[in-house]
Amino acid sequence: EVQLVQSGAQVKKPGESLKISCTGSGYSFSSYWIGWVRQMPGKGLEWMGIIYPGDSDIRYSPSFQGQVTISADKSINTAHLQWSSLKASDTAMYFCARLNVDTDSNWFDPWGQGTLVTVSS
Amino acid sequence: EIVLTQSPGTLSLSPGERATLSCRASQSVNSRYLAWYQQKPGQAPRLLIYGASNRATGIPDTFSGSGSGTDFTLTISRLEPEDFAVYYCQQYGSSQYTFGQGTKLEIK
Repeated sequence: EVQLVQSGAQVKKPGESLKISCTGSGYSFSSYWIGWVRQMPGKGLEWMGIIYPGDSDIRYSPSFQGQVTISADKSINTAHLQWSSLKASDTAMYFCARLNVDTDSNWFDPWGQGTLVTVSS
Repeated sequence: EIVLTQSPGTLSLSPGERATLSCRASQSVNSRYLAWYQQKPGQAPRLLIYGASNRATGIPDTFSGSGSGTDFTLTISRLEPEDFAVYYCQQYGSSQYTFGQGTKLEIK
C-alpha cells in the first residue's frame, strides 16, 4: 500500500524554527515528486511547492518562496518542510501528497494525514 | 497565475439528489491537468477525478467530471450521506498548481 505518514502536531512560539516530515512507503520514494499544501484554519488548500527526492529538484509557489524550505532525504524516504522563524500566521494544517505523473497529466494522490502547526506566544 | 473560482460556495441538497459543482478558470486550462478532491472534516483531501474526467481508483461511478477550456464540472449523480463534504478543483499550468476555494456540499 502506498502511504505517506507525517510527523506529529507541533506547538511553537513566534520566532522559533521548525522542521516537519513526510515519510513515504510502499513505492519507490525517489521516483515521485512530493508536494506540500497549506490549509489555514477554516480555509481552503494552498499549494506551497514540490520536490523530486531523486535529485532534490524543487519548485516553489511564488507565495511561499523565501518563506519556507523544502528538502528531502531519499535514504530515509522522507521529505521535509521547514521554517527558520515562525510567525503566528504560519498556524495551519500542512499536508504532503505524492504527485503522480502520466503522459500529459498529473495529480496528487495519496495524501499524508496532515501535521497541525500552532504558533502562539 | 491561473485562478480557479468554484461555485456555488455552499450547496444544500438531500440524499438521493443530483449535485453539480462548477470550477471556472481565469484562463484556459489543459483538461489533462484538472483534478477534483473531496475533503471531509478532520481528514486529508482525497483524489476523486484526474484529467478532468478520469475517476480515481475506488471512486464510485456516481462521481463524474467533465469540461474543457475554462469551465469544468463535477457531478454526483445520486447523493449518498457520505458524499457531504467540501470539494476542491485543482489545476497545473506554467509550473504552478492552484486550487479553487472549495464548494461545501451540505445536507438540506
